[in-house]
Amino acid sequence: DSGVTQTPKHLITATGQRVTLRCSPRSGDLSVYWYQQSLDQGLQFLIHYYNGEERAKGNILERFSAQQFPDLHSELNLSSLELGDSALYFCASSVAGQGQTEAFFGQGTRLTVV
Amino acid sequence: SQQGEEDPQALSIQEGENATMNCSYKTSINNLQWYRQNSGRGLVHLILIRSNEREKHSGRLRVTLDTSKKSSSLLITASRAADTASYFCASISSGSARQLTFGSGTQLTVLP
Repeated sequence: DSGVTQTPKHLITATGQRVTLRCSPRSGDLSVYWYQQSLDQGLQFLIHYYNGEERAKGNILERFSAQQFPDLHSELNLSSLELGDSALYFCASSVAGQGQTEAFFGQGTRLTVV
Repeated sequence: SQQGEEDPQALSIQEGENATMNCSYKTSINNLQWYRQNSGRGLVHLILIRSNEREKHSGRLRVTLDTSKKSSSLLITASRAADTASYFCASISSGSARQLTFGSGTQLTVLP
């Protein structure tokens, strides 16, 4: 158990809909990262938050947004969903900024858009 | 874009044999990390090697880093069936957007 909790584990929704994925980082970790993993694109970095502030943005679509709350949990919002958004979405946390220390990954949310 | 590229993409060996996976990256790094992923599960951090280190050991894992060639290798000795997983290297990309970017991974299958 990495200590990072992601909910829900599975999500099935229709095209055009909006979903929210939730992540609770390990106790004491200030950084939260979101990744998307699909068969054709591999593991893609989406966004990084540190102590409530956005620190880095990767290949995140404009239809996607995220935030980190004062209690350090984070949410990833995906809207106007398309079939191609079907993927595993991982959240990870670390004590320090990205890449300086190891990252701890949650078990992921498997999103299926039908 | 992928910062690291693993080689080979897939590797199949017998239990007890050693497995070597290679990673090449494009830009200067502070450190390079290796992660393991069991099918459909979250990634698990294995080892971190800093740019001023050349070799690091952790149990049956041995990681080397050659910054002049921008490459790293992960050696798993005396492999077990339970080592079957995908292995990824990860490093920070260049520029102001400090992203921990993962390679495409090596799928390792250890046959009993």
